[in-house]
Amino acid sequence: DGGITQSPKYLFRKEGQNVTLSCEQNLNHDAMYWYRQDPGQGLRLIYYSQIVNDFQKGDIAEGYSVSREKKESFPLTVTSAQKNPTAFYLCASSIRGGSLNTEAFFGQGTRLTVV
Amino acid sequence: DAKTTQPPSMDCAEGRAANLPCNHSTISGNEYVYWYRQIHSQGPQYIIHGLKNNETNEMASLIITEDRKSSTLILPHATLRDTAVYYCIVKSYGQNFVFGPGTRLSVLP
Repeated sequence: DGGITQSPKYLFRKEGQNVTLSCEQNLNHDAMYWYRQDPGQGLRLIYYSQIVNDFQKGDIAEGYSVSREKKESFPLTVTSAQKNPTAFYLCASSIRGGSLNTEAFFGQGTRLTVV
Repeated sequence: DAKTTQPPSMDCAEGRAANLPCNHSTISGNEYVYWYRQIHSQGPQYIIHGLKNNETNEMASLIITEDRKSSTLILPHATLRDTAVYYCIVKSYGQNFVFGPGTRLSVLP
């Protein structure tokens, strides 16, 4: 099946630990995105990448880091510097970043709980 | 900041048409209108998008006013599985999708 795979679906970590969320796509899309969603809220953009080996900060990048070494993979690391990391994290991809007439496709999300 | 305004919630009877409004009075000529929906605890699902003409696909219809300042997403025969949060997004060239709080649609039996 083609699509975006996020793993794991649920993740628990102790406070102060770094944690890496996986996002893989086999759609041959150039652009990939990470969003964060808090209960009852809309999505907020953390980081995005329009092409391999390049990425840009979104609206709430502090406390997060990413890499884009391969076209199909865009892992997100939630560092200990992120003050409130418990949230629902969503990864998305689109054929080209920034284009007008291109929809984005989303994974099923990872729910991170820090205790 | 989101460029759209949507009602926070709506109800619709099962089997009836659900008409979800969106105001985007500051839209510019080359911006598209996108609609997504998010069922509880899942990733957003793309529904439809358009520029100025009305659009229809297997999921929904999108009606954009002639002045492009507002649009309506129509689900022709709503089912309980259409209960979700619906997001209306206006997208500029070079920018990413910005999701506001959306409209929580409840389809009632």
